[in-house]
Amino acid sequence: EAGVAQSPRYKIIEKRQSVAFWCNPISGHATLYWYQQILGQGPKLLIQFQNNGVVDDSQLPKDRFSAERLKGVDSTLKIQPAKLEDSAVYLCASSRTGRSNQPQHFGDGTRLSIL
Amino acid sequence: DAKTTQPTSMDCAEGRAANLPCNHSTISGNEYVYWYRQIHSQGPQYIIHGLKNNETNEMASLIITEDRKSSTLILPHATLRDTAVYYCIVSGGATNKLIFGTGTLLAVQP
Repeated sequence: EAGVAQSPRYKIIEKRQSVAFWCNPISGHATLYWYQQILGQGPKLLIQFQNNGVVDDSQLPKDRFSAERLKGVDSTLKIQPAKLEDSAVYLCASSRTGRSNQPQHFGDGTRLSIL
Repeated sequence: DAKTTQPTSMDCAEGRAANLPCNHSTISGNEYVYWYRQIHSQGPQYIIHGLKNNETNEMASLIITEDRKSSTLILPHATLRDTAVYYCIVSGGATNKLIFGTGTLLAVQP
């Protein structure tokens, strides 16, 4: 079974520029998550999708971050404009359902550096 | 905030069992205990989870105390590749949100 795919692996941009990350979840997984992991900290949930609907985006800075999962499969996370504090690893995860007995499986993330 | 408490770091000799403790004294009856690990430059890797009973899979064993206030992850024969940050997470109820703490850095020594 193929894992969660993310691209790009690395991205370097200047502050105030925009950037987008892409995620392809495990086949058949209805629930998709985006996490932000700042150096030295554990991942923090930004947004959770159930199919193509948003379940939880309470921690998403909506003034600059946006995410979509239009067809209920792939997802993109965008930052516009980027700030220095957005330097982090952005992780995508998926689970078969959104139920608490279903583990989440993570991709290897996109490491974003803001200059 | 994370609902679990773990030691910051632990050492283990290669080939020996690694026992990683976790306290979750405020766990609710419908919440699961999850363990993940994260190796440098990789995403978190799911290891095991349980509700009340002890669990075992090809990677590890999970021992949950009868009162469910603490648990132990056991790696039966640690190798150098098991060096990683191990996260113990309580998840469940209305959502399966994972709230990560800072985890335990396990260093397996040759």
